[in-house]
Amino acid sequence: NAGVTQTPKFQVLKTGQSMTLQCAQDMNHEYMSWYRQDPGMGLRLIHYSVGAGITDQGEVPNGYNVSRSTTEDFPLRLLSAAPSQTSVYFCASTPPIGSGGQETQYFGPGTRLLVL
Amino acid sequence: AQSVTQPDIHITVSEGASLELRCNYSYGATPYLFWYVQSPGQGLQLLLKYFSGDTLVQGIKGFEAEFKRSQSSFNLRKPSVHWSDAAEYFCAVGPLRRAQKLVFGQGTRLTINP
Repeated sequence: NAGVTQTPKFQVLKTGQSMTLQCAQDMNHEYMSWYRQDPGMGLRLIHYSVGAGITDQGEVPNGYNVSRSTTEDFPLRLLSAAPSQTSVYFCASTPPIGSGGQETQYFGPGTRLLVL
Repeated sequence: AQSVTQPDIHITVSEGASLELRCNYSYGATPYLFWYVQSPGQGLQLLLKYFSGDTLVQGIKGFEAEFKRSQSSFNLRKPSVHWSDAAEYFCAVGPLRRAQKLVFGQGTRLTINP
């Protein structure tokens, strides 16, 4: 298993540009989440999904969209990038309930985004 | 609202010394509690977790944590640190069976002196 993969590893955007951060997992996990990590603030939940076709907002959802058309993929879209969205973005997945490991999140390596 | 506080932003210890990283949480129900470690430029790796049972939890890499309900704390300990333990450590709390909604503390950066 490749685990949780994220692309790109690093991206520079200009204010107002749009882009999609990709996240994929090959562990058949139902739950997937997106976090952003900023210095001194830990990780904050942006959006999460409990299965294909089901998404919900986390703590800091403004400026971001998500969709979940398949179990494997959970892309994060920035429609109009702002400097405040400069951050490191982590995708995570969680095994399904009943598998015995549903409380453990597996994190991807992160995408570092700089918005100028 | 649920929250996690890690009072120490940065800790420096000598190699071979003992370590304790503090974590205090605020949560209205029975929490799931976690400690994650992040090496530079890497994602997060789970060290240990707790939601019921023995309040002293053993994890990977020789770490342990103790849950104290009366103090709303879940402190991480290691008897003797190694240079490879230098990293950032995050405490997190989440609802039972809903670990995709974790709330993280601010993190504690650990530096090891040789």
